[in-house]
Amino acid sequence: QTVVTQEPSFSVSPGGTVTLTCGLSSGSVSTSYYPSWYQQTPGQAPRTLIYNTNTRSSGVPDRFSGSILGNKAALTITGAQADDESDYYCVLYMGSGIWVFGGGTKLTVL
Amino acid sequence: EVQLVQSGAEVKKPGESLKISCKGSGYSFTTYWIGWVRQMPGKGLEWMGIIYPGDSNTRYSPSFQGQVTISADKSISTAYLQWSSLKASDTAMYYCARAYSGGTQDAFDIWGQGTMVTVSS
Repeated sequence: QTVVTQEPSFSVSPGGTVTLTCGLSSGSVSTSYYPSWYQQTPGQAPRTLIYNTNTRSSGVPDRFSGSILGNKAALTITGAQADDESDYYCVLYMGSGIWVFGGGTKLTVL
Repeated sequence: EVQLVQSGAEVKKPGESLKISCKGSGYSFTTYWIGWVRQMPGKGLEWMGIIYPGDSNTRYSPSFQGQVTISADKSISTAYLQWSSLKASDTAMYYCARAYSGGTQDAFDIWGQGTMVTVSS
């Protein structure tokens, strides 16, 4: 079964820019995988940030952007803030109505 | 306001059955896929499956096929996740979520608050 890969952890300085990635154990991620990104803080339900590669969900600030970088999907956070410290998950569409989440990235802002 | 409201926390014994619910409001329930996501304690999100309430077309992750049943009652705008025989390893938070549009390739955008299921003898 295809594994969706994410960096286990990342850190960024307040005000800095960070790019998290979402790849495949075999192959390249393209827009045909409709990559989406979610943010989750402890004890809370996930929050949708980006869907369909680069469309921001309602109410999401434009500090968050999605793209394809090389052979991976990417989530870029510019001007990182303390409350961006969260877990970030990507999910990819595998076809036939099936999606697979990545393992998540724990982002630290310090 | 579009929202999904899930049923409350459950504590069950191994071997028992369980059905948890997710009620949609503020939108046309029958025209958006709605799905379920598992999060085991301290772990990441796992996509379980989706259902189209309009015709009950259902898709399952291979990891969950045969382990759970997803259903919906469009007359009361409610989706369900069901187990016939719970195991301790089913202990987790379960989220329902709605796709942002009517296609299977449309990702989740609206989330329920989660239902904690604890299975312990």
